[in-house]
Amino acid sequence: QSVLTQPPSVSGAPGQRVTISCTGSSSNIGAGYDVHWYQQLPGTAPKLLIYGNSNRPSGVPDRFSGSKSGTSASLAITGLQAEDEADYYCQSYDSSLSVLVVFGGGTKLTVL
Amino acid sequence: QLQLQESGPGLVKPSETLSLTCTVSGGSISSSSYYWGWIRQPPGKGLEWIGSIYYSGSTYYNPSLKSRVTISVDTSKNQFSLKLSSVTAADTAVYYCARGGGIGQWSPMDVWGQGTTVTVSS
Repeated sequence: QSVLTQPPSVSGAPGQRVTISCTGSSSNIGAGYDVHWYQQLPGTAPKLLIYGNSNRPSGVPDRFSGSKSGTSASLAITGLQAEDEADYYCQSYDSSLSVLVVFGGGTKLTVL
Repeated sequence: QLQLQESGPGLVKPSETLSLTCTVSGGSISSSSYYWGWIRQPPGKGLEWIGSIYYSGSTYYNPSLKSRVTISVDTSKNQFSLKLSSVTAADTAVYYCARGGGIGQWSPMDVWGQGTTVTVSS
């Protein structure tokens, strides 16, 4: 059971917009700790997609955006493309568990 | 550019100690205030943080694994290492090393190794 809760799967057609939620609590996201997002393509290592809630590393398309509100964070992907089909993970810090890194359970994005 | 590469045995017997090394190239492991982390992913499952080490040697472990984990750094070889003792089949996973996994601005993991598969079996 992950401290951060993500939907197991989401789907969308090419060109559409999808969002992936990451729900936490008052000891992690709600406490103001940053949320980061990773994309893991099949058979590859995770790649940092969003850091500090809403910042994109160099090279990440602006189709990807992140936001945070209260005890939740969201990753939005606009103009969905076939190559976006991957697993997505959120990450934060949890003060109650004193765990430096907690991950969400991951969300499988399927491009229809 | 910075690159990380995991190395170590791909097969470990139950009750033995898993040992992996992450070699950092394209930059010095001790040149900046970075953390260096280990993460694993069991087959078909999600990511699990194992622990992180600060470039100065301070360590931070996942409480669920803390009793079995040791992470160390060798700045002379530009490497950091993972030891996981008393392994069982549940420790079978792809093991990744990454830069990051620290506190505050050092939390996001921005560079990852390709991962190495470790199977625990007799």
